[in-house]
Amino acid sequence: AQKVTQAQTEISVVEKEDVTLDCVYETRDTTYYLFWYKQPPSGELVFLIRRNSFDEQNEISGRYSWNFQKSTSSFNFTITASQVVDSAVYFCALSEAALGDNNDMRFGAGTRLTVKP
Amino acid sequence: EAGVAQSPRYKIIEKRQSVAFWCNPISGHATLYWYQQILGQGPKLLIQFQNNGVVDDSQLPKDRFSAERLKGVDSTLKIQPAKLEDSAVYLCASSLEWAGWDEQYFGPGTRLTVT
Repeated sequence: AQKVTQAQTEISVVEKEDVTLDCVYETRDTTYYLFWYKQPPSGELVFLIRRNSFDEQNEISGRYSWNFQKSTSSFNFTITASQVVDSAVYFCALSEAALGDNNDMRFGAGTRLTVKP
Repeated sequence: EAGVAQSPRYKIIEKRQSVAFWCNPISGHATLYWYQQILGQGPKLLIQFQNNGVVDDSQLPKDRFSAERLKGVDSTLKIQPAKLEDSAVYLCASSLEWAGWDEQYFGPGTRLTVT
């Protein structure tokens, strides 16, 4: 069965600090997809990134970077030089489905990030 | 491009009453999802539709929850009768394809309080 664990419930940093959000997943499939979503106070989840299980290359997008390591079943998210606007709840999610299969995306419990000015 | 629309944004009802939520997905998106997000938890999938057919409702409490997507576009989720533990945010999402790799686009959610 698929499972996503975000051990950090809440993190508080001061603006311009770097912060890493941890995500550990469990799956028996060899093909799967990992996602990060951001949920600001408005409530709408916003897609940030998708990774498939065959692509372990790290990715950087502006101040955001993601480190995918199959050996430790982790997909960690780092924000460099954090800003107040980064304050939100961040969710890591896992999907095992292929085309035409039930897309049962499992979410972690989320990490609430607060960036103080 | 318009996002996923949901209404109402907030609803307060008493236990044993009924309630309905509405969702209009992004135009052209074949797959529609309803999630329940209890405070402090991640979203949990209740039901997903491919066009107007149900493809997974294994986590939907069918004794009190029902959902439909009659014309393959907008959808309604109903709870009857509501219980205290149904207090949560109900999120609707849509995706272009029916596939595990497809990112889902979420609406703002309906916050339900059952008293």
